[in-house]
Amino acid sequence: GAVVSQHPSWVICKSGTSVKIECRSLDFQATTMFWYRQFPKQSLMLMATSNEGSKATYEQGVEKDKFLINHASLTLSTLTVTSAHPEDSSFYICSARWQGTYEQYFGPGTRLTVT
Amino acid sequence: AQRVTQPEKLLSVFKGAPVELKCNYSYSGSPELFWYVQYSRQRLQLLLRHISRESIKGFTADLNKGETSFHLKKPFAQEEDSAMYYCALRVNYGQNFVFGPGTRLSVLP
Repeated sequence: GAVVSQHPSWVICKSGTSVKIECRSLDFQATTMFWYRQFPKQSLMLMATSNEGSKATYEQGVEKDKFLINHASLTLSTLTVTSAHPEDSSFYICSARWQGTYEQYFGPGTRLTVT
Repeated sequence: AQRVTQPEKLLSVFKGAPVELKCNYSYSGSPELFWYVQYSRQRLQLLLRHISRESIKGFTADLNKGETSFHLKKPFAQEEDSAMYYCALRVNYGQNFVFGPGTRLSVLP
């Protein structure tokens, strides 16, 4: 149980375009979802925390207008990278947990390459 | 400010040798610490948490508040232990985690 999926697993987009990444909890209701960014050979950096039905809380230094997060349902959160630039190329990982528990279940990640 | 450090980027040991992955933290509150593991081409998964004082896959970790450490240990390393290991600190009343930079463990045959 407690499976989190991400789609797509890999996406290439042109500079200036927007790309949407989906994160789904397959067998539980995710009251909270987290979005991380991981550069090659580096650790995960939390970008934002989103609770279902409310606005996401962004970490310092993360542009909320550039990284749009929507958590409209208990099983789906989306991250939209707007006006993507090559420096946005990275591995984006989501995780999810349900209310009353601290454990986060991680998705497999999405590799974004901006050309 | 909360911070997690893992001084070793890469740790290589021979099969059957003891292994210790170091983790230190700084946090003004009551710490809750975890170890996550990421095997090659797999997602991040929880290995163990200090509050449960459990042993998973032969690994143990003890929280030392005096030294602000949570080192991961295993007496006899196996080749299948080769992976990336992240130490994590739970903050903000459990809302999120701060991850350390990670240590890549390579167990040589």
